[in-house]
Amino acid sequence: GAVVSQHPSRVICKSGTSVKIECRSLDFQATTMFWYRQFPKKSLMLMATSNEGSKATYEQGVEKDKFLINHASLTLSTLTVTSAHPEDSSFYICSARGQGENGYTFGSGTRLTVV
Amino acid sequence: SQKIEQNSEALNIQEGKTATLTCNYTNYSPAYLQWYRQDPGRGPVFLLLIRENEKEKRKERLKVTFDTTLKQSLFHITASQPADSATYLCALDRGYSSASKIIFGSGTRLSIRP
Repeated sequence: GAVVSQHPSRVICKSGTSVKIECRSLDFQATTMFWYRQFPKKSLMLMATSNEGSKATYEQGVEKDKFLINHASLTLSTLTVTSAHPEDSSFYICSARGQGENGYTFGSGTRLTVV
Repeated sequence: SQKIEQNSEALNIQEGKTATLTCNYTNYSPAYLQWYRQDPGRGPVFLLLIRENEKEKRKERLKVTFDTTLKQSLFHITASQPADSATYLCALDRGYSSASKIIFGSGTRLSIRP
């Protein structure tokens, strides 16, 4: 079945630095990927929709200059958290739509801690 | 505004019993309703999808019902096992467009005690 690989699984960075998270579709092409943020015991909050070859579509309230999304190929989307601050600490997850009635396939998530 | 509610934040049941989770929604007309399982520190895993014109769907010990009049879905796990303990999320989807995005409920943490 469809597999989405997300790296890194955990990252700790200092305030003011930038962090890049990668999301790859391993056995299928994903023209569209989605990036979510999840707070403890809360649901997934959609941040942006990543479109291959074009600009990402951001949800209301999400700063596009803060969360840079690049979808340069049909199998890779990246999310860069720029000038990270402690309040950016969260669990970030990517996903792509599966084939047929297979729902969405999610990456394993990235736990970002900004110190 | 669109809203999805999952009836309880946490549910505790005895092993072997049937767990029933509820998902209600308002101000939305989904083409599909989906259920996912999420374990701590992991991404959600797709379980089942039910279309708006389907009443019920089964997969092994899982059963999902979908009532578009009540705007409600019920998710059942029969013969529950401790390994079923996880957070279960319902999600609404408008269609198969590759750009279609889904919205999630806040989840129900299910605990199955031996």
